[in-house]
Amino acid sequence: KAGVTQTPRYLIKTRGQQVTLSCSPISGHRSVSWYQQTPGQGLQFLFEYFSETQRNKGNFPGRFSGRQFSNSRSEMNVSTLELGDSALYLCASTRAFTDTQYFGPGTRLTVL
Amino acid sequence: AQSVTQLGSHVSVSEGALVLLRCNYSSSVPPYLFWYVQYPNQGLQLLLKYTTGATLVKGINGFEAEFKKSETSFHLTKPSAHMSDAAEYFCAVSLSGGSNYKLTFGKGTLLTVNP
Repeated sequence: KAGVTQTPRYLIKTRGQQVTLSCSPISGHRSVSWYQQTPGQGLQFLFEYFSETQRNKGNFPGRFSGRQFSNSRSEMNVSTLELGDSALYLCASTRAFTDTQYFGPGTRLTVL
Repeated sequence: AQSVTQLGSHVSVSEGALVLLRCNYSSSVPPYLFWYVQYPNQGLQLLLKYTTGATLVKGINGFEAEFKKSETSFHLTKPSAHMSDAAEYFCAVSLSGGSNYKLTFGKGTLLTVNP
């Protein structure tokens, strides 16, 4: 069974631009969570979607948003990029009514 | 609110030596506890988890962890380190039960294995 896939793997943007990251969960998994990983703040929860609805949200500004499609694929969007948004963005999927999150390889975003 | 503290941002051991990575948690309700490993330029891989039942949990690659409620700890151990164990290790906690998939992570411990 294929794992969680994230595209693109690497991105370089400039301040003020916006970016969209994509995540395809493991087949049959309906929950998708997003995390930001930085050297300073570590791993921080962004949000979680289940059946196209956002169920949980972390403490990030409104510039960070996401959505989930009917096939469970998810996208996250960051608008008006700041230097501090440079990070590894990780996506994880979970099968309904289980407790284990399976992570993708991440998208490395660099903001110049 | 939940939190995780990993003692020691960097642990160095010799090949064949015991690996002990420390994790303490804080949770207002019974927690689910996880250990993940991250190799360079990769995502997180689940090593083991505690949800309910037996407090000594065995995971992949010879790792195990023991849930100690009285000490609010979930330390990760491996009897004999291998060079391939060199990586960063993260302890995480989530609320038990139902559909809460928010993981709160510790800051991570970088494990170095010396030949």
